[in-house]
Amino acid sequence: DVKVTQSSRYLVKRTGEKVFLECVQDMDHENMFWYRQDPGLGLRLIYFSYDVKMKEKGDIPEGYSVSREKKERFSLILESASTNQTSMYLCASSRSQGFAEKLFFGSGTQLSVL
Amino acid sequence: QKEVEQDPGPLSVPEGAIVSLNCTYSNSAFQYFMWYRQYSRKGPELLMYTYSSGNKEDGRFTAQVDKSSKYISLFIRDSQPSDSATYLCAMSALYNFNKFYFGSGTKLNVKP
Repeated sequence: DVKVTQSSRYLVKRTGEKVFLECVQDMDHENMFWYRQDPGLGLRLIYFSYDVKMKEKGDIPEGYSVSREKKERFSLILESASTNQTSMYLCASSRSQGFAEKLFFGSGTQLSVL
Repeated sequence: QKEVEQDPGPLSVPEGAIVSLNCTYSNSAFQYFMWYRQYSRKGPELLMYTYSSGNKEDGRFTAQVDKSSKYISLFIRDSQPSDSATYLCAMSALYNFNKFYFGSGTKLNVKP
């Protein structure tokens, strides 16, 4: 079974802190994604990576950065956390096949910024 | 206007009922259509995947795509309490297939 593992299930941080969310997948997938999920807004793409050290901005990249130094690991960084970044963060991965491929999601990290 | 619209519910049905979940979309370039199921405190998991128009059946689940109306549906037959979850539709276009557009999700509760 494909596994996408997010390092923390719940996180509570203070405004202004630097926050790292880690995601690891074990299926050698080329593509990795970070989404945030908010009630009524669905899933919104923050960043996407299709290869090591490659990244592309999604729909809402402001206030976030990412790092992909190894194929299996994709990190989301909140440089200076703000209360409007309180949300559920979901990591996903997929193969690169030349067409829309199945996304495998982690269980999510519920981040609260106080 | 959102790219993908989905009624948030909640939808409450008795066990054994037929459930119909729907999404509408505005981008005629969408070719890949997916339904994800998300249990409470879990990540979404893929339930159904269709390419272009038509129907696809998998056990108690049927996915329908009507591209002329820009409308997709998921039908659940003989619904079970274990089907209680949030259902998310998602879609993407041929020209940018790794960009997925998600509906906001419909919360379904199947009562025993």
